[in-house]
Amino acid sequence: DTAVSQTPKYLVTQMGNDKSIKCEQNLGHDTMYWYKQDSKKFLKIMFSYNNKELIINETVPNRFSPKSPDKAHLNLHINSLELGDSAVYFCASSAGLAGWETQYFGPGTRLLVL
Amino acid sequence: AQKVTQAQTEISVVEKEDVTLDCVYETRDTTYYLFWYKQPPSGELVFLIRRNSFDEQNEISGRYSWNFQKSTSSFNFTITASQVVDSAVYFCALIPPGSGNTGKLIFGQGTTLQVKP
Repeated sequence: DTAVSQTPKYLVTQMGNDKSIKCEQNLGHDTMYWYKQDSKKFLKIMFSYNNKELIINETVPNRFSPKSPDKAHLNLHINSLELGDSAVYFCASSAGLAGWETQYFGPGTRLLVL
Repeated sequence: AQKVTQAQTEISVVEKEDVTLDCVYETRDTTYYLFWYKQPPSGELVFLIRRNSFDEQNEISGRYSWNFQKSTSSFNFTITASQVVDSAVYFCALIPPGSGNTGKLIFGQGTTLQVKP
């Protein structure tokens, strides 16, 4: 029943490790996003994909690599994790890129880098 | 520049009080879209409302109401007769599609609302 799901919900790892977060939506949407929420609750877009094509890469370090195997999935792989990567990562989806399309968010993945 | 400002960092009220959360936005686009999201303590982001720049009618949904005023670039959110379950962080957000359809949501800093019993 969940519209936008993310796994895992919590991720605790050591600095330098590589980790992945998976996102799936069952809304039939064409567009998916990754947002980062920092410790002060500030939300900022990282990537957007439309029909598996990268639309936005919002000056995110190369260590972050999104991959969209199909329209329903957008995964986020992070190499060489740093302390500053600790945050909540939200996946979202919308029917399309147009401004009037509402974005629906997943439950978030809480990443803690030690 | 596009920007959303929620000047109230934290608000605390007692149950049944009315409370207004302020949102001021900046954009040069004539067409844009505004949103409110709620983030309860459980952490998920819940969509509340979408409003386009051509529709200045106020909107009411149960105890929630929104006042959109282009003249002051504001899109304020009022909760009437607040309840403890309204305790959450509330985000105002803007999509200015004039810069290209990228779907980029620009969020305000959020306002933490605490409703005490």
